[in-house]
Amino acid sequence: GDSVTQMEGPVTLSEEAFLTINCTYTATGYPSLFWYVQYPGEGLQLLLKATKADDKGSNKGFEATYRKETTSFHLEKGSVQVSDSAVYFCAHGSGNTGKLIFGQGTTLQVKP
Amino acid sequence: GAVVSQHPSRVICKSGTSVKIECRSLDFQATTMFWYRQFPKQSLMLMATSNEGSKATYEQGVEKDKFLINHASLTLSTLTVTSAHPEDSSFYICSARPPGVHTGELFFGEGSRLTVL
Repeated sequence: GDSVTQMEGPVTLSEEAFLTINCTYTATGYPSLFWYVQYPGEGLQLLLKATKADDKGSNKGFEATYRKETTSFHLEKGSVQVSDSAVYFCAHGSGNTGKLIFGQGTTLQVKP
Repeated sequence: GAVVSQHPSRVICKSGTSVKIECRSLDFQATTMFWYRQFPKQSLMLMATSNEGSKATYEQGVEKDKFLINHASLTLSTLTVTSAHPEDSSFYICSARPPGVHTGELFFGEGSRLTVL
């Protein structure tokens, strides 16, 4: 069935370090792909998205490229900040139903 | 951006009682809302799709008589956990998609943490 797999956390980095959070998916057809972020005490927010193969989503210095050949959507940021500390969820959208299939989430801790 | 609000944010109840959680879209009309459940350090699991004016669609394995969903208006969906037990303790999150917004681009409420004693 459809699923999303993320690298296990927590990921602990020093400020200004390079970040990669891996995400792979299985799906029928060609879903849209998303990264959501959940800051402490808050609800999920859309971070970025890509709707077709080779699209690159970007926002707040984060980037992810839709790779159909490897069914991946890895999240990257060149220089993380303490304020980036949060839980990051990879997800894919299921057709026209609006349903999202989420990965298990990856906790990022950035230390000064 | 669009705002989705949940209430209450935290609730503690005794085993056997029922608890209602509200999900409101504050600045848009939502014909469809989604209810998720999040276990500690785990992903969000879709429980059901709430459709305004009709019955909710439940995911496999979710007891519809246990988790009652009512979507009585275009801005309000409610989830009632009936005869709650400690294993129902969890973080419940709702989401909605404004009209015209891309499939899968959902706006989430802040979540409601239920603790059943």
